[in-house]
Amino acid sequence: GQNIDQPTEMTATEGAIVQINCTYQTSGFNGLFWYQQHAGEAPTFLSYNVLDGLEEKGRFSSFLSRSKGYSYLLLKELQMKDSASYLCAPMDSNYQLIWGAGTKLIIKP
Amino acid sequence: GAVVSQHPSWVICKSGTSVKIECRSLDFQATTMFWYRQFPKQSLMLMATSNEGSKATYEQGVEKDKFLINHASLTLSTLTVTSAHPEDSSFYICSAREGLAGDTGELFFGEGSRLTVL
Repeated sequence: GQNIDQPTEMTATEGAIVQINCTYQTSGFNGLFWYQQHAGEAPTFLSYNVLDGLEEKGRFSSFLSRSKGYSYLLLKELQMKDSASYLCAPMDSNYQLIWGAGTKLIIKP
Repeated sequence: GAVVSQHPSWVICKSGTSVKIECRSLDFQATTMFWYRQFPKQSLMLMATSNEGSKATYEQGVEKDKFLINHASLTLSTLTVTSAHPEDSSFYICSAREGLAGDTGELFFGEGSRLTVL
């Protein structure tokens, strides 16, 4: 079957760094997306990885290891507005995104 | 980035009535659109995938006669919840991508529509 595993909730301090891990099992693989979703709002795109390695985009970086079925999202210089849910969504062989419940990130002052 | 507009943002209706939600791609042609439902503190659940000009493909367990999807143009898809009941109350979100469903392009999401059925 297809499965996404992310921590349910994480807490971090403003200005710090946090890493949100994601392991996945899918039928085929066509890349992995990370989305940010604030409460009551639709998801917004953060990153897309299809090759192994680290993709850096400003304060956010995303890493992928296809052989390990593993990805992480790294958030640096945390700001209060980064409090949100972060969704790891791999794309299967049918080009369908597989959604997990996401990781709720709480930022404390 | 590309913009997807969803309307209405909030809708309250009586049980038994039908509600239509629109999803528009404002600055690109959305060959493929997706409709999701999300209950509180749960993951996005894909309801159906639609390609412009063809019938939508519904996920298992989603009643196609209850959730009518029309993707008549490259910029507009509609979801109609027919004979709505309180259990249909949820957050409905559309997304669109420019290429066909087999492409790996970025998904652009609408703002979501919160439906409350009394």
